[in-house]
Amino acid sequence: KQEVTQIPAALSVPEGENLVLNCSFTDSAIYNLQWFRQDPGKGLTSLLLIQSSQREQTSGRLNASLDKSSGRSTLYIAASQPGDSATYLCAVRRRDDKIIFGKGTRLHILP
Amino acid sequence: DTAVSQTPKYLVTQMGNDKSIKCEQNLGHDTMYWYKQDSKKFLKIMFSYNNKELIINETVPNRFSPKSPDKAHLNLHINSLELGDSAVYFCASSQAYGTSGGAWSETQYFGPGTRLLVL
Repeated sequence: KQEVTQIPAALSVPEGENLVLNCSFTDSAIYNLQWFRQDPGKGLTSLLLIQSSQREQTSGRLNASLDKSSGRSTLYIAASQPGDSATYLCAVRRRDDKIIFGKGTRLHILP
Repeated sequence: DTAVSQTPKYLVTQMGNDKSIKCEQNLGHDTMYWYKQDSKKFLKIMFSYNNKELIINETVPNRFSPKSPDKAHLNLHINSLELGDSAVYFCASSQAYGTSGGAWSETQYFGPGTRLLVL
């Protein structure tokens, strides 16, 4: 059974700092892993999607890495801004096409 | 010009009622999804349709029935609503399904959510 864990559940950092969010999954047989952000009371916005054959994806100040063998992915946010405050979720698509979400990390950037 | 829209945004109803939530996407995507986010913010997939065909059907009560009249619409009908059905329901779409098409094709676009409260 695939489990997706995100640690920490919540994180507060001062503005301008670089930070890393973690996502781990128990079954390495995945098609891809996707990072989303969710603002309070809103839907999810896709940030980055990494295919199982890829090691990382970058978009602006965001960089997501994938290490399938160890069942880990990280989302690196450079030069954090107050607007980055949100809940960040990772989701894996299993080989049977089911999509499993982690419970998210609530990020708060302190101005 | 909303990409993925859901109606209604809020739904308050009594136990035992039947209700529907509608979802429409104007992105020309082939695949649509329904997710449930519970009070603890845990997001769980319920259904997925590709070209009007059901491809993912998680273990949800059969009181929940998705219907896809065409590729752009995926509606969710719920019979005999129960207190535990209270949640936020999100619709999403992606260009394609499966490993063909590359990373961009599986990027999911979410609707704003429908907040269902069963009294």
